[in-house]
This record gives sequence, structure tokens and C-alpha cells, in this order.
Amino acid sequence: QSALTQPPSASGSPGQSVTISCTGTSSDVGGYNYVSWYQQHPGKAPKLMIYEVSKRPSGVPDRFSGSKSGNTASLTVSGLQAEDEADYYCSSFAGSNNLGLFGGGTKLTVL
Amino acid sequence: EVQLVESGGDLVQPGGSLRLSCAASGLTFSSDWMDWVRQAPGKGLVWVSRIGPDGTYTSYADSVKGRFTISRDNAKSTLYLQMNSLRGEDTAVYYCSRVEYWKFDPWGQGTLVTVSS
Repeated sequence: QSALTQPPSASGSPGQSVTISCTGTSSDVGGYNYVSWYQQHPGKAPKLMIYEVSKRPSGVPDRFSGSKSGNTASLTVSGLQAEDEADYYCSSFAGSNNLGLFGGGTKLTVL
Repeated sequence: EVQLVESGGDLVQPGGSLRLSCAASGLTFSSDWMDWVRQAPGKGLVWVSRIGPDGTYTSYADSVKGRFTISRDNAKSTLYLQMNSLRGEDTAVYYCSRVEYWKFDPWGQGTLVTVSS
């Protein structure tokens, strides 16, 4: 199965909001509420930022929010800060025959 | 503190073998589903393999099926990935992660596997 589709890049100025999309199909993103988002700084391990579409783990700032409409999930980062500059990956459950479906990643630049 | 620490990455020749380890602490390891995910240099995340809590369930990406074997030792809270018949396209940082309700958390720091002559 193909990877989920993310834009390769996104950018915004400090204090602004940026939204990153993650497009799949009715067999993954659209069919289940098991979309998660990961932040990865250069040379570091990924970090869970959002799970089950819109839930935030403890310790993740409420500037990060998630949503879903149809086959597209979105991650919104509000009040952009310099430390938000990183790569962001989405992931979705896609049935028992496709256990680990990731997006191609989006590089977020804080201008 | 919940922590996963990978080890075992190295430079290996094509056709060679390598075993990766992932030591867990702060988890109820014997109850957890565990995955390996890899990331080729400059590329995105790619799922590799999953194992159930008691080791009886395993699953693999098509690209590694028949060459890689995932296993675990719950007494040692350690996850393994035995990699045989390695190819250049297996070059990547390999991460272990706990998976729960289809979210990957936490992640280890990763271990680099380089397949080259």
C-alpha cells in the first residue's frame, strides 16, 4: 500500500499558525480514528505529538492540534516557535494487513 | 523513566548478517507490542516488523520478509531484529518503538546499519 501523502514542506513566521495535511484513503485515514503525528528534529528520534486524530500526550504543548475530514488528517501548529522547526510525519492504522503506514514527511521551517 | 535503547548497528557487507537489540526500561515490556521502524538517510519512516507480547505473533514488511526475524526475551526486557542477506537498500537508522492502539511511543534513539562493500 502507498504511503500517506504529505506536502514536502511548510513554513510560517514566529507566532503564526501552520497546518500540515496527510491524505490517505477510506481504507486508512478515512476509515479509522487512529491517525498519529510525530515530530523529528535532525539526528533525533521521532516523538509522538498527536494520537487518535486529536489527542495530545502529556507534555505536548496545546499549540499542537489535530483534526480529520474525510480521507485527510491535519496537524496545526499555532503560535509557531523556533523549536517547532522539524520534520513531521503522520501515520494511520490501515487494517491488519498493513500494520505501519506512514506519510512521506513534511519539513516545517520557521522563517 | 520510560526508555528504549537500541544497539548492534554496524557496517556490514552485502549478503551479511547483523542482530540488533533494543533494551527496554520503565515499560511493562512483557505486555507490550513492539515494532521496528527504519529510516534511510534523508528519507522518511518505514515500518519493518511487529511482535506481540508473548512473541507468538510476528509480522513483516514485504521488503524484509524471509530475511529479517523479530524476537524478544521478556525476562531481559529486550527486543531483537536478526537481519540476514542484507542489501544496500537496508542501509538505515533502525528504531524500536512500543506500539499501542496504533500509536508509536516511545521511540529509541536509533542504531545505524550500513550495508556496503
